[in-house]
Amino acid sequence: GDSVTQMEGPVTLSEEAFLTINCTYTATGYPSLFWYVQYPGEGLQLLLKATKADDKGSNKGFEATYRKETTSFHLEKGSVQVSDSAVYFCALSEGQAGTALIFGKGTTLSVSS
Amino acid sequence: NAGVTQTPKFRILKIGQSMTLQCAQDMNHNYMYWYRQDPGMGLKLIYYSVGAGITDKGEVPNGYNVSRSTTEDFPLRLELAAPSQTSVYFCASSYSQSRGGGYTFGSGTRLTVV
Repeated sequence: GDSVTQMEGPVTLSEEAFLTINCTYTATGYPSLFWYVQYPGEGLQLLLKATKADDKGSNKGFEATYRKETTSFHLEKGSVQVSDSAVYFCALSEGQAGTALIFGKGTTLSVSS
Repeated sequence: NAGVTQTPKFRILKIGQSMTLQCAQDMNHNYMYWYRQDPGMGLKLIYYSVGAGITDKGEVPNGYNVSRSTTEDFPLRLELAAPSQTSVYFCASSYSQSRGGGYTFGSGTRLTVV
């Protein structure tokens, strides 16, 4: 079945460092891909999304490009801030009736000043 | 503010007790979902609903029941609580299951079974 694999965390960075969180997926069709972020004590929030190959999703300085050839959707940010400390989830949706979002296990990011 | 509201935020249950986790959304979304989040395991789908009166099992439905009598509400019922049900539960909704549909999540219910 469909699945999402994320890099193991935690990821610890200093402020202004470059961030990459790897995400690869397995799907039978052509899924939509998402990154969600969970701040401490809160629910998940949609960070960005891409619905077809070569699409780039972006929000709040974060970017991810849908790479069909490598089945990847890596999250990047050029300069992280302390306020970016959170858990990041990669997810996919086939968008078919009876399916739902499938999540990776999440990657914890900790940014220090 | 519009969104998904979950109650209670925290609850401690004894083994064998029952409870209902409430979830309500005011965005007129047809699709609603219940997930559980365990440390290091991501989110697992418990049940989902594609509209009032229609529900279906997800990946981990054992020990849970749901109902969907209205578009707005999607309660999750635990009949005989077990320690394995200690988790954080999230309710979510979406306007469609189309390829671009993102979910709106509630803030979660942290449940401990002792």
